[in-house]
Amino acid sequence: SQTIHQWPATLVQPVGSPLSLECTVEGTSNPNLYWYRQAAGRGLQLLFYSVGIGQISSEVPQNLSASRPQDRQFILSSKKLLLSDSGFYLCAWSPSHRNYGYTFGSGTRLTVV
Amino acid sequence: SQKIEQNSEVLNIQEGKTATLTCNYTNYSPAYLQWYRQDPGRGPVFLLLIRENEKEKRKERLKVTFDTTLKQSLFHITASQPADSATYLCALDPPSGGYNKLIFGAGTRLAVHP
Repeated sequence: SQTIHQWPATLVQPVGSPLSLECTVEGTSNPNLYWYRQAAGRGLQLLFYSVGIGQISSEVPQNLSASRPQDRQFILSSKKLLLSDSGFYLCAWSPSHRNYGYTFGSGTRLTVV
Repeated sequence: SQKIEQNSEVLNIQEGKTATLTCNYTNYSPAYLQWYRQDPGRGPVFLLLIRENEKEKRKERLKVTFDTTLKQSLFHITASQPADSATYLCALDPPSGGYNKLIFGAGTRLAVHP
């Protein structure tokens, strides 16, 4: 069966520090991968999605970047965090077809102080 | 751009009753509409998907309807239980080619009381 792993679960980082969040998927190949951010009481905002190795599409211009070095690995990064980067970050995968639901990771609660 | 509206107020219902949650959208009609459940501090969990040519979809105690004329989906939980208490998210796919790139609503929190 397919599983998705996301870490760390919580993170407290000072302003200006770098960020690296990692997400891996098991049990499937060539998945679509996604990074979402959820602010308190708000909907999920799509940050990046990827349909293959090295193929990244950015939805919102911001202080973050994403990379997909392997088929089932998706990394969210920042060189210098801002206070506004705080939030709940969620990685998800779906088959490449449109008519399937997403499977989300357990999320990372990031607090920038 | 697509806008999704879900009631931001908490929906309080008594155990055993049917809970009905609403998802309204504007602009284009999506080919697919999905519903997710999210518990506090957890990632959303996929529940149901309904296609534009389907009027209704059922799964156990869950039922989803999709009215493309009203641009609305209703999500029903029959015989609700306290364990059904969670936030329920509606999600649509944009008409952007073959990518399954969902847009999510902010969700409605359901509280089922014993």
